[in-house]
Amino acid sequence: LAKTTQPISMDSYEGQEVNITCSHNNIATNDYITWYQQFPSQGPRFIIQGYKTKVTNEVASLFIPADRKSSTLSLPRVSLSDTAVYYCLVGGGYQKVTFGTGTKLQVIP
Amino acid sequence: EAQVTQNPRYLITVTGKKLTVTCSQNMNHEYMSWYRQDPGLGLRQIYYSMNVEVTDKGDVPEGYKVSRKEKRNFPLILESPSPNQTSLYFCASSLGSRPPHETQYFGPGTRLLVL
Repeated sequence: LAKTTQPISMDSYEGQEVNITCSHNNIATNDYITWYQQFPSQGPRFIIQGYKTKVTNEVASLFIPADRKSSTLSLPRVSLSDTAVYYCLVGGGYQKVTFGTGTKLQVIP
Repeated sequence: EAQVTQNPRYLITVTGKKLTVTCSQNMNHEYMSWYRQDPGLGLRQIYYSMNVEVTDKGDVPEGYKVSRKEKRNFPLILESPSPNQTSLYFCASSLGSRPPHETQYFGPGTRLLVL
C-alpha cells in the first residue's frame, strides 16, 4: 500500500469550502484513492473513491491530477457536523490496509 | 438492515484472562478485518481475512488471534490480555478486496480496558 501524507489538522468556519490534500508519491498504476470520515468513538465511514480526474457525489468531490501523486478532498459549505477526522487511503487491493493518522478537521461556528 | 455488529461494546478485564470479541456481518462480504485505535496512532490493522479459512496478519498482530470458520463471523481472541491492549477495537467488512468493491463498512467499536 502506498504511503500517504496528510496535514494533521485544519480549522474552517461554517459555510466555507474545505480542501484536504493527500500526498501519495509512490502510487501504483492499479491503485485507487479512497477517503473515509470518522467521528469520535465511531468507525470510519466511506466518503468517496476515485482513480483519476474528478469524482463527485452528494457529500464531496475528489480531485486527482494527471500524475496521481496527490489528491484533494473537497467538502462544500461545511457545517459543524463535518467536524471529524478524514483519512486518505491508497491501494489496489485492500488486503493489508494502512489508515495513517488522518486529518482532524475542526469546523468553527 | 445491512450492518456489522460487535460484542461486547465495552469490556473491563484483568491481565491474563482470555477474552473474545465477536464480529458479525449480514452483507455476505468476503473480506473482514480487525483494527485497533489508540490516541495519536490512528487506526492500525490487526488481522484480516480474504475469505473463509483465509486469514493474515496486519501491522500489529502480536497478542491476538482470529478465526474465520463462517463467512459472516470473524472473532478476535486475546489469549492473555495485557494492559497495552487497552484500546478501541473496530471490526470491518467489505464485499471484496479489490477496488471498487473494497469499501469497508465498520462496526460500532468495542472499548476494552485491561487492568
